[in-house]
Amino acid sequence: EVQLVESGGGLVKPGRSLRLSCTASGFTFGDYAMSWFRQAPGKGLEWVGFIRSKAYGGTTEYAASVKGRFSISRDDSKSIAYLQMNSLKIEDTAVYYCTRDRREGAAGLWGQGTLVTVSS
Amino acid sequence: DIQMTQSPSSVSASVGDRVTITCRASQGISSWLAWYQHKSGKVPKLLIYAASSLQSGVPSRFSGGGSGTHFTLTISSLQPEDFATYYCQQANSFPWTFGQGTKVEIK
Repeated sequence: EVQLVESGGGLVKPGRSLRLSCTASGFTFGDYAMSWFRQAPGKGLEWVGFIRSKAYGGTTEYAASVKGRFSISRDDSKSIAYLQMNSLKIEDTAVYYCTRDRREGAAGLWGQGTLVTVSS
Repeated sequence: DIQMTQSPSSVSASVGDRVTITCRASQGISSWLAWYQHKSGKVPKLLIYAASSLQSGVPSRFSGGGSGTHFTLTISSLQPEDFATYYCQQANSFPWTFGQGTKVEIK
């Protein structure tokens, strides 16, 4: 079955770090760009960041709100994408989704999401 | 950053109604536009990519149109399972940005 499964969410204090994992199955993970999105309570969808496939350099892009604090990486041998979140802020509280992206820049496959709560 | 503006913010409609949602970009984005459906407590679902291409498995009552700065999502005959919030998203340039969402409610 083609799917993405996020893990690593939880409750964390402001200023601390957390790493989310996105484990893919059912497709050739290395062929795809991957993204992370989030939805804060009562808010709309927000794009967090993007990592290209190795064929396109494996480079990353980030939203201004997380640039310098969050980083995305990938381990194609394990079919896992990571979101390393440092210096977490209360406003980072959200459900975080990883996605497999189409070449047209649309998120065609979504994981079930993982909740990150930043609170003292 | 490219700003995406959806209208209306909410729409009240009945089963069988035709519903059209508009999305405007603050600058031209060619056809780099996607539409998503998001139901409360569920995972977002891609409906349309490249402005007018139907994602596999999505019912044909959904259609997308437009290019440049003006885009539409049309539901030709609203079904009970279509009551949800709909978002447009541009992928012309980073950062990718979303419209604020349009909530489709039961009349």
